Amino acid sequence: QKEVEQDPGPLSVPEGAIVSLNCTYSNSAFQYFMWYRQYSRKGPELLMYTYSSGNKEDGRFTAQVDKSSKYISLFIRDSQPSDSATYLCAPYGGKTSYDKVIFGPGTSLSVIP
Amino acid sequence: DGGITQSPKYLFRKEGQNVTLSCEQNLNHDAMYWYRQDPGQGLRLIYYSQIVNDFQKGDIAEGYSVSREKKESFPLTVTSAQKNPTAFYLCASSMGTARHNQPQHFGDGTRLSIL
Repeated sequence: QKEVEQDPGPLSVPEGAIVSLNCTYSNSAFQYFMWYRQYSRKGPELLMYTYSSGNKEDGRFTAQVDKSSKYISLFIRDSQPSDSATYLCAPYGGKTSYDKVIFGPGTSLSVIP
Repeated sequence: DGGITQSPKYLFRKEGQNVTLSCEQNLNHDAMYWYRQDPGQGLRLIYYSQIVNDFQKGDIAEGYSVSREKKESFPLTVTSAQKNPTAFYLCASSMGTARHNQPQHFGDGTRLSIL
């Protein structure tokens, strides 16, 4: 089993839709959870950064973590064509002084005007 | 504007040739990283450095080398020993490698291809 898994997509939605992007992980020691957005031929940019279980909202984006199920979600409200990108989940945080970030393979999202 | 600059954007390598990818940051971050991105795979860690003059191998270090002589700079050399170098290479930095300092900021990558 891979440490972090995401449905690769592509996921195609109409403009204005609510988008749900999901990620599962296997290491129960993960405590910190990040979501990155990556546009084509660009580097990833940090979208959301959360600690432990619960929800975090930032504008149109909500990150949700369920540590009991090892399941992470990113919700995008009122999706825009500019949200078309690949979304990477990236958990980390164990018991060592250096905690390697594990990046998922990403889900490709296309928002159709 | 603070950020990470990678150069060149595109690079071509001939058989048997070593090539060096540049990464410079002006964020005053202590830690720097090199990743390789292949289609359908997550980012894979090549090397990382927590402090100047120190670096550690990541998961796929074979065929690569790095140096960290200055805080701002972390160049990656893809040697001729790397038999499948075609990929998108990403450099990142963070304040540190402890849990609270971990969010990484990325450059815009270098795409390396074989001639």
